[in-house]
Amino acid sequence: EVVMTQSPATLSVSPGERVTLSCRASQSISTNLAWYQQRPGQAPRLLIYGASTRATGIPARFSGSGSGTEFTLTISSLQSEDCAVYYCQQYNNWPRTFGQGTKVEIK
Amino acid sequence: QVQLVQSGAEVKKPGASVKVSCKTSGYTFTNYAIHWVRQAPGQRLEWMGWINAGNGYTKYSANFQGRATITRDTSASTVYMELSSLTSEDTAVYYCAKDQTINGNRWFDPWGQGTLVTVSS
Repeated sequence: EVVMTQSPATLSVSPGERVTLSCRASQSISTNLAWYQQRPGQAPRLLIYGASTRATGIPARFSGSGSGTEFTLTISSLQSEDCAVYYCQQYNNWPRTFGQGTKVEIK
Repeated sequence: QVQLVQSGAEVKKPGASVKVSCKTSGYTFTNYAIHWVRQAPGQRLEWMGWINAGNGYTKYSANFQGRATITRDTSASTVYMELSSLTSEDTAVYYCAKDQTINGNRWFDPWGQGTLVTVSS
């Protein structure tokens, strides 16, 4: 099983600041990685697939990068509605696996 | 637009089974796969299994093999997930999510709204 590890566990950031979230896979997954946003009480929402392609309707302030085992999600200028937990997920191997999430809070 | 609407919350006793439905609309049901993912309180998302909605092929996580059963009703564009021999550790929100292909090998989008299953004596 591919273990996905995210860091940090929690980020406290001021509005307008740049946010960088990391995700590491225990073995190479090429670019078969997705990022999801989960706001409190809601279902996860797709942000990024293929490690770097924004999903339909996702603001340009969200960007993804990386390949192999190291991946990054960047929010260029944090907005209040970005307060959520962010999960990475690999779809290269069975079973599909998720990271433990990074919680982004407004400072 | 594509929508996945799940059945309502359930309360079950230990040892019982639960069956959650996921009604889809807005796309050709038999052309895509559906996955099931659960989220226990304070835990990460956990993939349970998937179904090819065209031919009914299923694949499960080893953690749920033999206890979870995913089926579909093509006439109703609905997928079902049944989990048996429930324990308190199965208390979680259960989500269905649509794959981008029939083969279940892509990302999940969109997701259903989630179904809370509570297991308590």
